[in-house]
Amino acid sequence: NAGVTQTPKFQVLKTGQSMTLQCAQDMNHEYMSWYRQDPGMGLRLIHYSVGAGITDQGEVPNGYNVSRSTTEDFPLRLLSAAPSQTSVYFCASSYGQYNNSPLHFGNGTRLTVT
Amino acid sequence: TQLLEQSPQFLSIQEGENLTVYCNSSSVFSSLQWYRQEPGEGPVLLVTVVTGGEVKKLKRLTFQFGDARKDSSLHITAAQPGDTGLYLCASAKGGSEKLVFGKGMKLTVNP
Repeated sequence: NAGVTQTPKFQVLKTGQSMTLQCAQDMNHEYMSWYRQDPGMGLRLIHYSVGAGITDQGEVPNGYNVSRSTTEDFPLRLLSAAPSQTSVYFCASSYGQYNNSPLHFGNGTRLTVT
Repeated sequence: TQLLEQSPQFLSIQEGENLTVYCNSSSVFSSLQWYRQEPGEGPVLLVTVVTGGEVKKLKRLTFQFGDARKDSSLHITAAQPGDTGLYLCASAKGGSEKLVFGKGMKLTVNP
């Protein structure tokens, strides 16, 4: 089982550039989410989706866009990268309501914006 | 305002020692999850606690959910170097789909 796959693993961007972080899961999970992890800040929720066609904002959504056209994929878009977006990004999925099933995480994308 | 407060934030101990990490909030939760994260990897679920006062054991790890469902603790007995990692608690306010995490407790167990 591949589980949750994130690409790329590492990325360096210049301020103002755009890019898409890819996330795919093969577990037929309805719930998917994106977190960023910064030193001393834990994991902060960026955006999440409870099913195809449905997305909503998390704690820190500014500067990020998402879409959910299929159950499997949940890409995260940075339209104009800023140094403050330097972070490690994690995608996660779960079968349904969080308290009945665990979040499965990818191994992260380490993004540096110069 | 952080929804979940974890303490301590850092802990460095010797192999064989015991430790407890706490996760507190002013809000009531329907359930709470504990995760462990190793360097370069995503967090992995350890346990979910649902009922107030619930105690769950996972080998040398004991998890407790407070009676009022506002706090939780993780106790590790006879810590081993393999327990080294970042321990995170996570939950959501009742009815919300937003699962949020505490800042985590970074544990180092020295041989």
